[in-house]
Amino acid sequence: DTAVSQTPKYLVTQMGNDKSIKCEQNLGHDTMYWYKQDSKKFLKIMFSYNNKELIINETVPNRFSPKSPDKAHLNLHINSLELGDSAVYFCASSQDPGRYGYTFGSGTRLTVV
Amino acid sequence: QKEVEQDPGPLSVPEGAIVSLNCTYSNSAFQYFMWYRQYSRKGPELLMYTYSSGNKEDGRFTAQVDKSSKYISLFIRDSQPSDSATYLCAMTPGGSEKLVFGKGTKLTVNP
Repeated sequence: DTAVSQTPKYLVTQMGNDKSIKCEQNLGHDTMYWYKQDSKKFLKIMFSYNNKELIINETVPNRFSPKSPDKAHLNLHINSLELGDSAVYFCASSQDPGRYGYTFGSGTRLTVV
Repeated sequence: QKEVEQDPGPLSVPEGAIVSLNCTYSNSAFQYFMWYRQYSRKGPELLMYTYSSGNKEDGRFTAQVDKSSKYISLFIRDSQPSDSATYLCAMTPGGSEKLVFGKGTKLTVNP
């Protein structure tokens, strides 16, 4: 019973393609996040949704578009992929970040060639 | 000045050593402090959680927060090869505010 599951785990694609990453959580949390982790392991927040409503939208290119069909799902669509988009993308969920922190998925390793 | 500073290491120690990992921060609104452990090719997992100042102990792990100095630490006693991972500090003012992460310190414990 994976708490936060992401698919796919690995994604290799060519520059200019469009791709999607899916995330689902079965914890009943209200808030979900997308983080990008670069090669130096720095975790940077991209988006946050609370019960399907976008609440955090950091400085991210318009090519990245999140979609939350319901509070258990948060997907990330990326248009016109660039080499610099290569990274590990983590989905996370939380009920109360201060008290309980986040539960992370296992990540999607995206490689753009 | 970045909100959260963490020495990226890498840090290499022999098995059984005491390990000290640290972060400093600039935002005095931070009230909740956490340490995450991330094994290679895995997602971060919550290791320790502390509210406000003070110490918290869990087995071989001790988390310390000094709000007056804006400094937090994680100590690992009797370190084991299985402790080899990247350790990330994280903190938040609380409520619905997002976590802000340090850059992570890569630790290797050699048998």
